[in-house]
Amino acid sequence: KAGVTQTPRYLIKTRGQQVTLSCSPISGHRSVSWYQQTPGQGLQFLFEYFSETQRNKGNFPGRFSGRQFSNSRSEMNVSTLELGDSALYLCASSFGQYEKLFFGSGTQLSVL
Amino acid sequence: SQKIEQNSEALNIQEGKTATLTCNYTNYSPAYLQWYRQDPGRGPVFLLLIRENEKEKRKERLKVTFDTTLKQSLFHITASQPADSATYLCALFTGTASKLTFGTGTRLQVTL
Repeated sequence: KAGVTQTPRYLIKTRGQQVTLSCSPISGHRSVSWYQQTPGQGLQFLFEYFSETQRNKGNFPGRFSGRQFSNSRSEMNVSTLELGDSALYLCASSFGQYEKLFFGSGTQLSVL
Repeated sequence: SQKIEQNSEALNIQEGKTATLTCNYTNYSPAYLQWYRQDPGRGPVFLLLIRENEKEKRKERLKVTFDTTLKQSLFHITASQPADSATYLCALFTGTASKLTFGTGTRLQVTL
């Protein structure tokens, strides 16, 4: 069974640009969660989707958004990038809500 | 305020010894607690889940305890090996918040 796939693996952007990150969950998993990881803050919850509906959202500004498609694949978008958005963005899937999470390898975003 | 505290300092132990990592929390009533392992540049990998009504869980060389009175979980690795060197994260799930919240992790270094 293929694991969680995140693309791209690395991304370099400049301030003010926008970025879209992609996540393909494990086949059969309907829940997809997104986390931001930085050395100082650890893993911070961004949002969770289940069957195309956002079920929960973390404390991030509206510049961070996401969506889930009918095949459970998910995307997250960050608009008007700031230097502080530089982080590892992790996607995780699970069969049900917050059962054990299966993480992808993440997208390392650098904002210059 | 709600806090999940893991020792931010690295834990250095000798091969063959038992490593014990601590996860303390305040102002949470978790339904369950999970432990993950994370290697550099990779997403976390699920290790164990323990529910609020369970005192202890074991899996091979791993053991987790959960004391809801002390608001603490201990994670033990017996007969540790250099391959166990990684960062270990605890995560709490609360029904009210309906999300998984991670601690910042403790780095374990096992030396020969």
